[in-house]
Amino acid sequence: GNSVTQMEGPVTLSEEAFLTINCTYTATGYPSLFWYVQYPGEGLQLLLKATKADDKGSNKGFEATYRKETTSFHLEKGSVQVSDSAVYFCALMRYSGSARQLTFGSGTQLTVLP
Amino acid sequence: DTAVSQTPKYLVTQMGNDKSIKCEQNLGHDTMYWYKQDSKKFLKIMFSYNNKELIINETVPNRFSPKSPDKAHLNLHINSLELGDSAVYFCASSQRTTSKPHNEQFFGPGTRLTVL
Repeated sequence: GNSVTQMEGPVTLSEEAFLTINCTYTATGYPSLFWYVQYPGEGLQLLLKATKADDKGSNKGFEATYRKETTSFHLEKGSVQVSDSAVYFCALMRYSGSARQLTFGSGTQLTVLP
Repeated sequence: DTAVSQTPKYLVTQMGNDKSIKCEQNLGHDTMYWYKQDSKKFLKIMFSYNNKELIINETVPNRFSPKSPDKAHLNLHINSLELGDSAVYFCASSQRTTSKPHNEQFFGPGTRLTVL
């Protein structure tokens, strides 16, 4: 079946450090890939997405490239800020009949210290 | 002007009780979802409705029953609550179109259910 494996957390970085959160997936066909972010006490928000191989999603300084050969969608940011502290979820979308179903990774807690 | 809203935000109740969580979206979307997030932050889909029709029904105890009175609402009713039902429940919505099959899901703020 389809699954998403994320880097175990928690991750603690100093402000302006480089961030990588690894994500790999297992899926049949060609899923779409997403990163969602959950700030404390809030619901999930879409951070970025990529719908086909070699696509790069980017938003708010975060980037991730859809790598079909390595089945990966690693999240990167060159210089993190305290406000980036949140839980990050990698997800893939598959089609189940008429439904579009998101399968999430386990989430990675990021804490950025000033 | 909240896009996806849920009530209540917090729900504390005794084992064995029956409770409901309500969800409303004002985005004009035709598809709504319920997710369960456990204490380790793991998120799993429970149900999805498209135009009031159930299209995803994952392996969920039949004590959980979703109800969609119209496209803007998807409520979750839980009978005979158990300790293991304690979690955060998220509602989400999206718009299915053939031109944009990968449309974003918008999430509500969550309902934290605690069963004592």
